[in-house]
Amino acid sequence: VLVTQTPSSLPVSLGDQASISCKSSKSLVHNNGITYLAWFLQKPGQLPQSLIHTVSNRFSGVPDRFSGSGSVSDFTLKISRVEPEDLGVYYCLQYVHYPYTFGAGTKLELK
Amino acid sequence: QIQLVQSGPELKKPGESVKISCKASGYTFTDYAMHWVKQAPGKGLKWMGWINTYTGKPTYADDFKGRFVFSLEASASTANLQISNLKNEDTATYFCARGLQWSHWGQGVMVTVSS
Repeated sequence: VLVTQTPSSLPVSLGDQASISCKSSKSLVHNNGITYLAWFLQKPGQLPQSLIHTVSNRFSGVPDRFSGSGSVSDFTLKISRVEPEDLGVYYCLQYVHYPYTFGAGTKLELK
Repeated sequence: QIQLVQSGPELKKPGESVKISCKASGYTFTDYAMHWVKQAPGKGLKWMGWINTYTGKPTYADDFKGRFVFSLEASASTANLQISNLKNEDTATYFCARGLQWSHWGQGVMVTVSS
């Protein structure tokens, strides 16, 4: 399953809204009705941080300025007001079809 | 709290083998699968496969069949990744991550393969 993440680079100012797209070549809806699409943030030299699972469910401790939406094969991560700690590379992941596949990443950086 | 603690960096020569570990704590180890992810220097994330921590059954992505082995020491709540016949292109950071929802990651192990 091909996962296409855009843009590859997203220059923002602090306080801006940011939006990242993730499109898959197949439906990510499992036979059980659940859609397995997750989002992660990786800062330089660090492990990925888990932000959102199953399209729109934030992990505990993730600020509510992060929101995930979408369905079937078209998904979006929105950050309502970018803060300095949000800078880094964002990845989406489809985990319904083998092999699981990550998007190529979106670098969120300051203008 | 839930933690995945991985072993330390490794420097190996081509043709050698390496075994890296991922020790889980703060939850029942056998309740959650363990995934392995490769990140080559300056590159993105690539899923290698996963191991069922209850049955011990591994599943490998095609690119990681043959030289890669996932194993468990369940009594020690530890998942292991062994890579044999190392090649230069195995130079990467290897992460473990807790399934089903990928909620927690290990800190990663940098493996450098160089003659």
